[in-house]
Amino acid sequence: EAGVAQSPRYKIIEKRQSVAFWCNPISGHATLYWYQQILGQGPKLLIQFQNNGVVDDSQLPKDRFSAERLKGVDSTLKIQPAKLEDSAVYLCASSLERGNEQFFGPGTRLTVL
Amino acid sequence: AQSVTQLGSHVSVSEGALVLLRCNYSSSVPPYLFWYVQYPNQGLQLLLKYTSAATLVKGINGFEAEFKKSETSFHLTKPSAHMSDAAEYFCAVSSYNQGGKLIFGQGTELSVKP
Repeated sequence: EAGVAQSPRYKIIEKRQSVAFWCNPISGHATLYWYQQILGQGPKLLIQFQNNGVVDDSQLPKDRFSAERLKGVDSTLKIQPAKLEDSAVYLCASSLERGNEQFFGPGTRLTVL
Repeated sequence: AQSVTQLGSHVSVSEGALVLLRCNYSSSVPPYLFWYVQYPNQGLQLLLKYTSAATLVKGINGFEAEFKKSETSFHLTKPSAHMSDAAEYFCAVSSYNQGGKLIFGQGTELSVKP
């Protein structure tokens, strides 16, 4: 069974630029999560989807971050414009249903200069 | 609100020694508790989880953890450390009414000396 796929693995941009990350969850998984992991900290949930609907986006900085999962399968997370403090690893995870075990992708490491 | 505190950001043990990584949680509802491991440049992998069944939980790679409600703890142990155990370990809490949302501790980096 293929795992959670993420791309790109690494991205370097300058502040005020835009960036997008892509996630393809495990086939059949209804729930998809985006986490932000700042160096030296544990992951923090940014947004949670159930199929193509948003369940929880309370921690998403909506003035600059957006995410979508239009067909209930893969998802895109966008930052526009990026700030220095957005430098982090962005992890995507999926689970069969809400509350089930989450499987994590390898993450995208973003560096904002 | 739920929270997790991991005591010690860095733990160093000798190969063959006991591994003990500490985790305390705060939750106003019955918690689900997890330990994840993260190797460099990789995602998180589930080691074990507690979901209100047996209080002593056995996981992969010889790790286990004991849920102690009176101490609000969920410490991770392994009797004998191996070099391959060197990684970052995260404790996390969730609950049924959180819909699967995980709240992580800040992590503990485990080093294993030969």
